[in-house]
Amino acid sequence: DQQVKQNSPSLSVQEGRISILNCDYTNSMFDYFLWYKKYPAEGPTFLISISSIKDKNEDGRFTVFLNKSAKHLSLHIVPSQPGDSAVYFCAASEINAGGTSYGKLTFGQGTILTVHP
Amino acid sequence: DGGITQSPKYLFRKEGQNVTLSCEQNLNHDAMYWYRQDPGQGLRLIYYSQIVNDFQKGDIAEGYSVSREKKESFPLTVTSAQKNPTAFYLCASRLSRTEQFFGPGTRLTVL
Repeated sequence: DQQVKQNSPSLSVQEGRISILNCDYTNSMFDYFLWYKKYPAEGPTFLISISSIKDKNEDGRFTVFLNKSAKHLSLHIVPSQPGDSAVYFCAASEINAGGTSYGKLTFGQGTILTVHP
Repeated sequence: DGGITQSPKYLFRKEGQNVTLSCEQNLNHDAMYWYRQDPGQGLRLIYYSQIVNDFQKGDIAEGYSVSREKKESFPLTVTSAQKNPTAFYLCASRLSRTEQFFGPGTRLTVL
C-alpha cells in the first residue's frame, strides 16, 4: 500500500512560470512533510518541509502548502528556472505511539520536473 | 567537510554472491538509514539504526543485513537471498527530528 503518492510522473513548465508539484497521503499519523530534490545518480537533497500544525511554509522561490483535511500537500516553485529540472520527492514522517519519531521517512514515487528555457 | 561517503559508486555482482556496500559519515549523527530506489519508484527503507549496536528492519529488509559497530559506519550487505538486487542504494543520516542527509548512492548491478 502506497502511503505517500505523487500521481504525476512528470511535469513540464516554461522558465519563469509557476511549477506545482502535488502529493497525497493516507496515513493520519504523518505529522511532518518534506520535499527533496534529486538529480540522476546522486543522493536527494533537502528542499523544504512543513509541520502538520501549519498550512504553509515559504523559503525563497519555494512554498509548500498542506491541506490536512484533504491529506494533500503541494510544492510551488516561482519563478521556475532551468536549474530546477530534477526529480522531486515528497516524504512524510510519522510519530510513533510514544509521541516520538524514529526519523523514518516514507517517500512518494517522485515527479520529474522539466523547466524549458 | 562533513558529509556521507558511499563506496563504491558502481558495483557489479554475479548472481549468488554476497556484496557489501559501504556508508561512512563524519557528521556525528546517531541515526543512519539505508534506502533502495528503483526506476519509477520512491525510496524504500531497508534498515535503520538509531544508535550503535542497534538496528531495525525497514519495509523491505528481506535479503539484506547490516551492522552498526561504530557511530560513523553503517555497512549494508546484499545477500544471495535478495531476489532482485539491481537498484540504486542510498545511505542517509539523521540531521534533525525530520530531515535526513543523503550520501551520493551506489548503483548495484547483478550480472
